[in-house]
Amino acid sequence: DGGITQSPKYLFRKEGQNVTLSCEQNLNHDAMYWYRQDPGQGLRLIYYSQIVNDFQKGDIAEGYSVSREKKESFPLTVTSAQKNPTAFYLCASSVTGQGQSVGTFGSGTRLTVV
Amino acid sequence: AQSVSQHNHHVILSEAASLELGCNYSYGGTVNLFWYVQYPGQHLQLLLKYFSGDPLVKGIKGFEAEFIKSKFSFNLRKPSVQWSDTAEYFCAVRGAGGSYIPTFGRGTSLIVHP
Repeated sequence: DGGITQSPKYLFRKEGQNVTLSCEQNLNHDAMYWYRQDPGQGLRLIYYSQIVNDFQKGDIAEGYSVSREKKESFPLTVTSAQKNPTAFYLCASSVTGQGQSVGTFGSGTRLTVV
Repeated sequence: AQSVSQHNHHVILSEAASLELGCNYSYGGTVNLFWYVQYPGQHLQLLLKYFSGDPLVKGIKGFEAEFIKSKFSFNLRKPSVQWSDTAEYFCAVRGAGGSYIPTFGRGTSLIVHP
């Protein structure tokens, strides 16, 4: 079955360490996205990519970095510069261009800084 | 820039009660509108969407939403809720014809007592 796989499901990190969250899709979608979900704040866009080797900052990109070397993969690195990294991170993908595209979401990674 | 406002942050109902969750958006053009649901421990799922046509949209599990353009609203309704509807509900909006990237509301946490 096609879908989005996020790993790991739970991740613990010590303060000052970088950590990379994995997101892989086999839906042949061109676009991929990273969102951060905090209680009472909904989903906020961190980064998105509409094509391989290109990506744009979202609303809250500071302290995060991404790469898009392959169409299927869009890893997110939470750097030590992110002041409040404990959160639930969601990856999504979609087709691009006009039309009735809707996104598909992964099951998320819960990151806790200890 | 587009924005989404969900008026109810927490809603508690008894089974068989009727549900209406408010969603208002601001955007200066044609929009696509979405409601997503996140059941406890599960990933975000699309409940229903509006792109064009009949402003009364029916989704999965007996949910429906009505797009009222003059009020910039897309309220979610269900005539009779069940305990299994306990979840977090997100309204989202994007400009029609563009890329997928939606703007999400802050979410409404619904608890249904049996």
